[in-house]
Amino acid sequence: DGGITQSPKYLFRKEGQNVTLSCEQNLNHDAMYWYRQDPGQGLRLIYYSQIVNDFQKGDIAEGYSVSREKKESFPLTVTSAQKNPTAFYLCASSITGQNSPLHFGNGTRLTVT
Amino acid sequence: AQSVSQHNHHVILSEAASLELGCNYSYGGTVNLFWYVQYPGQHLQLLLKYFSGDPLVKGIKGFEAEFIKSKFSFNLRKPSVQWSDTAEYFCAVKKGGGADGLTFGKGTHLIIQP
Repeated sequence: DGGITQSPKYLFRKEGQNVTLSCEQNLNHDAMYWYRQDPGQGLRLIYYSQIVNDFQKGDIAEGYSVSREKKESFPLTVTSAQKNPTAFYLCASSITGQNSPLHFGNGTRLTVT
Repeated sequence: AQSVSQHNHHVILSEAASLELGCNYSYGGTVNLFWYVQYPGQHLQLLLKYFSGDPLVKGIKGFEAEFIKSKFSFNLRKPSVQWSDTAEYFCAVKKGGGADGLTFGKGTHLIIQP
């Protein structure tokens, strides 16, 4: 069954620690995305990648970093520089091209205390 | 920068009522338009999409949406809602030919009362 796997589902960290969220897809999609979802704010784009070894900042990239060493994987690191890291993080992928919807993973809920 | 506005943050309806959720966007060029739904505890799913052609698009579960270019709108409709339609609904826009993901509205939380 093809899809997007995000792990873990729930993650807890102490303030000041970096934390990496995993996202793996077996859909053979070239493009991958990270969004952050907050109540009443909708989804906001953090980073995206159209091809291996290349990625671009989205609307709220500050305090985050990503890598794209493999087509299947697009991990997101929430650094200690992110002022308000507690949120629900969604990974998505799509084929490249304008007529392509995004397919989403189940998300990771990160709580930083 | 493009933006997406969803008019209602919370909507409460009774079963069998008709539904219309508003969505307006600000980008003036060619756009692709989407509605996603997030049922409680589940991941985001695509309801329907518009790329070109007939401005009235039909999606899953009896939903439809109409693209009105002159009004920059893409409102979601369903003639008769069911309790199982309780969910959060997101409108999203992608610039035509763009490769930088979707811009989402803030979402509408729909509650259907039995």
